[in-house]
Amino acid sequence: EADIYQTPRYLVIGTGKKITLECSQTMGHDKMYWYQQDPGMELHLIHYSYGVNSTEKGDLSSESTVSRIRTEHFPLTLESARPSHTSQYLCASSRSGTGELFFGEGSRLTVL
Amino acid sequence: DQQVKQNSPSLSVQEGRISILNCDYTNSMFDYFLWYKKYPAEGPTFLISISSIKDKNEDGRFTVFLNKSAKHLSLHIVPSQPGDSAVYFCAASLGTSGTYKYIFGTGTRLKVLA
Repeated sequence: EADIYQTPRYLVIGTGKKITLECSQTMGHDKMYWYQQDPGMELHLIHYSYGVNSTEKGDLSSESTVSRIRTEHFPLTLESARPSHTSQYLCASSRSGTGELFFGEGSRLTVL
Repeated sequence: DQQVKQNSPSLSVQEGRISILNCDYTNSMFDYFLWYKKYPAEGPTFLISISSIKDKNEDGRFTVFLNKSAKHLSLHIVPSQPGDSAVYFCAASLGTSGTYKYIFGTGTRLKVLA
């Protein structure tokens, strides 16, 4: 059973609002990831982190930002949400970066 | 440039028969491959994985085959059950190269008919 949690599960907000999607894991994993998925599409890597104070942009350009101040916490922030940000955001973690990747339940964001 | 491809967007199989889901990749540096199952509005659930040094891994009803020369892997589910109906993603990782990234395919929607 994976111990990785995302909040909120669902969020509907208006254009221009600032939002933060929370992700926490209790497994002590160094590697953490954010993926974005639109319905029927693949999971696109938008951010990843190798450890505390380490963050990298993924393969898909994103206007979101991330931080990694603590091992267990990897929040994603959108400073000014737009309808094009409507998507499902999936947080994941891995101990080694080459073994199993554990996912949270996801955060479904809708920007009106 | 899609490094991991699942060319079949959907597959329908009769209950009790074998389901075969395919995945192709282009980067020979991938060292670990994984299969995930996903329901709408939920996170992917890990099914089975295989290291690049192996060519087969089996776990219950699920078997993954890896053909490195063809850069191809497949997931076999036998016997298929209605509860297996979901979207299946293959993924590949570049752990030993130091980048620790997981790249996902586009997914195949499996429907198991009762």
